Parts: sequence; structure tokens; C-alpha cells
Amino acid sequence: KQEVTQIPAALSVPEGENLVLNCSFTDSAIYNLQWFRQDPGKGLTSLLLIQSSQREQTSGRLNASLDKSSGRSTLYIAASQPGDSATYLCASPEVEGFQKLVFGTGTRLLVSP
Amino acid sequence: EPEVTQTPSHQVTQMGQEVILRCVPISNHLYFYWYRQILGQKVEFLVSFYNNEISEKSEIFDDQFSVERPDGSNFTLKIRSTKLEDSAMYFCASMMSRGINSPLHFGNGTRLTVT
Repeated sequence: KQEVTQIPAALSVPEGENLVLNCSFTDSAIYNLQWFRQDPGKGLTSLLLIQSSQREQTSGRLNASLDKSSGRSTLYIAASQPGDSATYLCASPEVEGFQKLVFGTGTRLLVSP
Repeated sequence: EPEVTQTPSHQVTQMGQEVILRCVPISNHLYFYWYRQILGQKVEFLVSFYNNEISEKSEIFDDQFSVERPDGSNFTLKIRSTKLEDSAMYFCASMMSRGINSPLHFGNGTRLTVT
């Protein structure tokens, strides 16, 4: 059964810094891994999806990598801005139940001006 | 950009009452889901729905829960007799196809408070 964990639970950085958020998963036979952003009291916005055959995906200032052998994914945010402040979640489909996403607990990011 | 919409944004109900949470998935999507997030906890899968039937459900999704797609656009989650522990944020999601490159799109959620 897939388990997903994220560290750190919270991160505070000054504006302009580059930062890395970490996501670990227990079953390396994953189909894909998806990164989401959640603003307080809001829904989940899909940021990036990496297929199992890919090593990384990029969208603007965001870059997500995937290393199946080590069971890790990272989300790199370049030149952070206060508007990046949110909780970032990673999720992967349960291996046996393809449609069911297993989420990490998230990293709460605060970017101060 | 098309989005998943959910109503209401906040629902307060008394224990034992029935509630219906409503969702309009993205129009050309075929797979529909409900997830929930209890305050401070992980987002949890509840149920998936395809071709007018449940395709998978979690152990949370007991007989008190039901889902329906009454017409071509709406997708509902009903809780027959709410309990205090049902208080959570409920998210609807939809997906176009069941492919490894098909992301899940979430709505903004309905915050359910059971008193």
C-alpha cells in the first residue's frame, strides 16, 4: 500500500530565495506523481504531474523531479514570491487502485516580503 | 480554463440530518471523485465514479454515504445521517481519462460543519 510523506511540514523563507520541497513514497512502482497547491480554505490546484517514465517536469518557476529508485520527488521553486505562500501537497495513485490518490500531509510555505 | 465547481461553499447542519453536497465536474471529463480533508489531516479518498456507477470506494464510504449523477452535469454526495466526525472539507474532482498523464482537477470544496 502506497504511503506518502512530506518534509518539512512548514517552511519560511524570504522573498527571492530558491527552495526545495520534498516528497517521499514507499512503493516505487508508481504510475505518476502530482504536485498540488492549496491556499487556506480553498481547493487543490494541480501544479505538475510527472509520469513514471519521466525524470522531471517544468512549469514556469516550478520544477518537479522524480526518482523512483529512491522513492522521492522534489518540487523546486525558483525566485520565490509572497504569492507562492500556500500549502504544497504531493500525491500518487494507489498502485492497485489506479484512480485513488494517496496524499502527503503537505508543506506549508510562507514567503515573506 | 474549465473548472470544477462545488456548492455550497459552507454547509452547517445538525447531527443526524441529511446533507447533499453538489458538484459540477468539467464538462468533457468521464471520471468523478469525492475526497475529504478533516482539519489538520491528509486529504483522503472517498469514492470514484465512472459510467454511472461506483468504481472504487474507501472504508470511510459506508452505508451513510451515497453518490449520484442525476443528469449530465451534476455529481452529488449525500450523507444520510451526519455525525460530528463528518465535519470536514469535501472536495469533488474530475479527470478526463484514466491515463498516466491525466491530472485530477479539484473544486474549491465544501466545508461541512456538523453541530
